[in-house]
Amino acid sequence: DADVTQTPRNRITKTGKRIMLECSQTKGHDRMYWYRQDPGLGLRLIYYSFDVKDINKGEISDGYSVSRQAQAKFSLSLESAIPNQTALYFCATSEHRGQTGELFFGEGSRLTVL
Amino acid sequence: QKEVEQNSGPLSVPEGAIASLNCTYSDRGSQSFFWYRQYSGKSPELIMSIYSNGDKEDGRFTAQLNKASQYVSLLIRDSQPSDSATYLCALYTGRRALTFGSGTRLQVQP
Repeated sequence: DADVTQTPRNRITKTGKRIMLECSQTKGHDRMYWYRQDPGLGLRLIYYSFDVKDINKGEISDGYSVSRQAQAKFSLSLESAIPNQTALYFCATSEHRGQTGELFFGEGSRLTVL
Repeated sequence: QKEVEQNSGPLSVPEGAIASLNCTYSDRGSQSFFWYRQYSGKSPELIMSIYSNGDKEDGRFTAQLNKASQYVSLLIRDSQPSDSATYLCALYTGRRALTFGSGTRLQVQP
C-alpha cells in the first residue's frame, strides 16, 4: 500500500458541485500539503498544515478549503467547483525538519469540472 | 518575475550525452534547493538536494548552486532514455512550504 493515499484518483463533476479530495498517510509525518498541477505551470501550493492546529494558505487558496482531521488525514474541498479548477491535485507530506525535509507525494487526483 | 523559473523545453539530448537543466530564482534569502523528477502520469520524486554553493554529486547526477547569481543547475551525465521525464526545481522562498518551478521536459534520444 502507498504511504500517501489520495482518493478519488479520478473524478468528473459539474460546475457548482461540492467536491472533496481526501489524503491519508502512514508515514507519521507532521506536515501535509495540497498542490495542484496544470500543464506549463508546474506545482502550485494551495494549502499546507504543519499540525492539526496549524493550517496555512498557499499561493492559490481562493475557491478551496481544507480540513486536518488528524495527523494522518488532510482533506481538500472545492465548495462550488468551476471549470478552471480542472487539474491534477497532489497531496504531499514531510517530516518536521525545517527547510530540509523531502516531500513525499501521493499518486494524484485528477479532477475534471465540466 | 516568477519566484522560480525554468525553461519548459523539451530539452532533447542523445543517449550518453550530458543533459544540463537550469533554474533561476528571485528570493536571495532562499537556502534550500531541490530537484524532483516526474515521469509522465506519475508523482514527483526527489533526486537531489543542495544547500551550499558549489557542486554536489550523486552517481550520474550533479547539482550546482550559485547563490550570488541566483541559479541552480542539474547535470545528468551519460543520459539514458530512462532519464526522459520532467525535472522540477524547487526551493523555499520564505513561505514555509516548497515553491516549484514549472519544470523542464527532458527527452533522451536512443
